[in-house]
Amino acid sequence: DTGVSQDPRHKITKRGQNVTFRCDPISEHNRLYWYRQTLGQGPEFLTYFQNEAQLEKSRLLSDRFSAERPKGSFSTLEIQRTEQGDSAMYLCASGVPGSPLHFGNGTRLTVT
Amino acid sequence: AQSVTQLDSQVPVFEEAPVELRCNYSSSVSVYLFWYVQYPNQGLQLLLKYLSGSTLVKGINGFEAEFNKSQTSFHLRKPSVHISDTAEYFCAVRGSGGSNYKLTFGKGTLLTVNP
Repeated sequence: DTGVSQDPRHKITKRGQNVTFRCDPISEHNRLYWYRQTLGQGPEFLTYFQNEAQLEKSRLLSDRFSAERPKGSFSTLEIQRTEQGDSAMYLCASGVPGSPLHFGNGTRLTVT
Repeated sequence: AQSVTQLDSQVPVFEEAPVELRCNYSSSVSVYLFWYVQYPNQGLQLLLKYLSGSTLVKGINGFEAEFNKSQTSFHLRKPSVHISDTAEYFCAVRGSGGSNYKLTFGKGTLLTVNP
């Protein structure tokens, strides 16, 4: 059990650029979640996968955001045409039924 | 849908003093409750959880919490804090049924332990 791994840890980008983050969950975990955390706030739910199926998306996830989990293992979160308001920590979590979620260390995005 | 209110955004205490971090929740269904801790530039680490059974739950690092259904509260306590407990603490809730284990978090309480 190596834990949930997120890459990169930090990303600085200019407004209007596209960025992609990767999450590698704990290997036997079939559920994968993306959360966004802004300064002074708790994590807010973005989207959820069970295996490769994306089962729920928050209204926070505008059409500039897309998430995939193509083989039910790792997941990617892409933000197109980034805006300064997208600056946040993006957290990934994974789990199985009956157990709490395990979180990665997050990717901190700064849009300049 | 559920919501969580953490009543204190910041709690400063001296080392070896007791501490209580307050959490109230709202839900129309039965819930599971969690406390997570976040150290600077890190993800969230589970401190403890309430799923069912005894309302007093013990977690890691000497923390405990008590589930009070009538007051819809799940306050976190520690009898004697250390400098190393300085961190942000988040209370979270999810419905006990269904297949989506989505957590709803409070805004967090920054615990600062001073020497």
